[in-house]
Amino acid sequence: EPEVTQTPSHQVTQMGQEVILRCVPISNHLYFYWYRQILGQKVEFLVSFYNNEISEKSEIFDDQFSVERPDGSNFTLKIRSTKLEDSAMYFCASSPTRGWYGYTFGSGTRLTVV
Amino acid sequence: RKEVEQDPGPFNVPEGATVAFNCTYSNSASQSFFWYRQDCRKEPKLLMSVYSSGNEDGRFTAQLNRASQYISLLIRDSKLSDSATYLCVVGSLTGANNLFFGTGTRLTVIP
Repeated sequence: EPEVTQTPSHQVTQMGQEVILRCVPISNHLYFYWYRQILGQKVEFLVSFYNNEISEKSEIFDDQFSVERPDGSNFTLKIRSTKLEDSAMYFCASSPTRGWYGYTFGSGTRLTVV
Repeated sequence: RKEVEQDPGPFNVPEGATVAFNCTYSNSASQSFFWYRQDCRKEPKLLMSVYSSGNEDGRFTAQLNRASQYISLLIRDSKLSDSATYLCVVGSLTGANNLFFGTGTRLTVIP
């Protein structure tokens, strides 16, 4: 079964440092997403990406966040200057079309900011 | 106001029991409804979509009431492997097909 791959599985970084979280979506998918889940809280939408541009972003996705699809396979989330409150599980997802069929989550990257 | 609200839980039930989870959503323009399952520190995984006519998948039955903006999940004959957090999830295509998650209800099935 095709899967969304995320690396690393766990990242520890110092406050103020930049981090890049990487995702390889399913190969024929066209829509890409980032979600985050702070420990003990709900999964929250951050951003969606289609046709090489951001489709929608939430209030959480402020200027310290950016996304990029640098090549034909990777989809990255960059956090420029990490804060303690950025500590969370970050999930990448992809879907083949607009809509819900085939919407698939990756196994996540646990980001710990110290 | 929360987009999606769920039973607070946790639910601790014996093997073989029937358990029901409820959920309400605030956006009447929501178009798609799902139950996801999330194991500890893992990604959410789709359990089933929810349709107005109701739908069943083995021991799992989901119902949607659009008028009340209410979604339910019934698990019959609970197994130990059903222990997980169950997430009520709502989608709206007025946005860019992002999903709105409830906080989840934790289920523990006890031997």
